[in-house]
Amino acid sequence: DAGVIQSPRHEVTEMGQEVTLRCKPISGHNSLFWYRQTMMRGLELLIYFNNNVPIDDSGMPEDRFSAKMPNASFSTLKIQPSEPRDSAVYFCASSFRPSELYNEQFFGPGTRLTVL
Amino acid sequence: AQSVSQHNHHVILSEAASLELGCNYSYGGTVNLFWYVQYPGQHLQLLLKYFSGDPLVKGIKGFEAEFIKSKFSFNLRKPSVQWSDTAEYFCAVLQPTLGRLYFGRGTQLTVWP
Repeated sequence: DAGVIQSPRHEVTEMGQEVTLRCKPISGHNSLFWYRQTMMRGLELLIYFNNNVPIDDSGMPEDRFSAKMPNASFSTLKIQPSEPRDSAVYFCASSFRPSELYNEQFFGPGTRLTVL
Repeated sequence: AQSVSQHNHHVILSEAASLELGCNYSYGGTVNLFWYVQYPGQHLQLLLKYFSGDPLVKGIKGFEAEFIKSKFSFNLRKPSVQWSDTAEYFCAVLQPTLGRLYFGRGTQLTVWP
């Protein structure tokens, strides 16, 4: 299994530009999570999906952030417009939820975003 | 909301020293507990997990953790650390019915050869 795949691995952009981060979960997993990691705030959950439906987006910092999961094998996190304070490592994780209980999460390699 | 506390921000040890990293959480109900490790420049990898049963959990690379329900703790231990254990260690708590994984702030472990 290839694990969780994220692209790009590194992104450098200028303030005001639109940024799109991509994630392919592990095949068969039905829950997907987006996290942000910074020195100041540690690991924060931004949003998560179950069976392609957003369950909790309370961690999304502002309306500039949006996430979609059009199908079971693909999700995007978009920042428009981007700001320097959005610079962070963004992780995607997936898990298999066979019942009403959630399970362990498997993390992707992350996208290191730098907004100048 | 759930909170997860890791007591040490940075731990520095010499090789062969014993390690114990503290982790406490606040939720009083059923939880699943995890320790993840993040080696420099890499993504988070699962070190060990506790779902139920024996509260002493053994993970990869000689790590173990003990779940003490009465203390809301899940401390990570290793009897003899190696230079290659240099990494950041995250404790995480999952409320199984909610799906949210709550992370501690992490402990940076530096092991000197």
